[in-house]
Amino acid sequence: KNQVEQSPQSLIILEGKNCTLQCNYTVSPFSNLRWYKQDTGRGPVSLTIMTFSENTKSNGRYTATLDADTKQSSLHITASQLSDSASYICVVSTGGGNKLTFGTGTQLKVEL
Amino acid sequence: NAGVTQTPKFQVLKTGQSMTLQCAQDMNHNSMYWYRQDPGMGLRLIYYSASEGTTDKGEVPNGYNVSRLNKREFSLRLESAAPSQTSVYFCASSEGGAVYEQYFGPGTRLTVT
Repeated sequence: KNQVEQSPQSLIILEGKNCTLQCNYTVSPFSNLRWYKQDTGRGPVSLTIMTFSENTKSNGRYTATLDADTKQSSLHITASQLSDSASYICVVSTGGGNKLTFGTGTQLKVEL
Repeated sequence: NAGVTQTPKFQVLKTGQSMTLQCAQDMNHNSMYWYRQDPGMGLRLIYYSASEGTTDKGEVPNGYNVSRLNKREFSLRLESAAPSQTSVYFCASSEGGAVYEQYFGPGTRLTVT
């Protein structure tokens, strides 16, 4: 069964600090891996999409890594801001079709 | 461009009532999707439409019907609402299949009492 597991479930950090969120997946065949940011009461917004051949991708202060051999990904947030408070969702796409497998998300809170 | 829009934003239904959730996109995308999001669970696909004129079941289709009205619009209908359908519903669109970026609407929060 295709699964995406994220850790930690929740995280509280101080503004200006860095943090790393983890994603492990057992999805086959693999097409791409995405990280989404979901603010409270809003729909998910894409941060990055990585294919099998990409192992790092950045979007401003967000950097995602992918290790397709160990089926692990991480999202690193640098110099956190209050606006980074949100749920971060890891999503894996299988080859072809229209099916995505969603993780349950990591709830990040950035405090002063 | 508005992107993906959904109506209504909130809805309360009694068990057995029916309603239709509306979704529209202005990005000329071929594929559209309906998901539900429940606490402690990842988003789950209810139905999708790979292109205008086609619809297919997703992971949790029971109790729902869909209509791809035209390329822009994709509606989700609950014929006889049940408390288990209390959830937040998201519509999304993409250029094509799962390899493409999906763009999500703001969601509809539905409560069935």
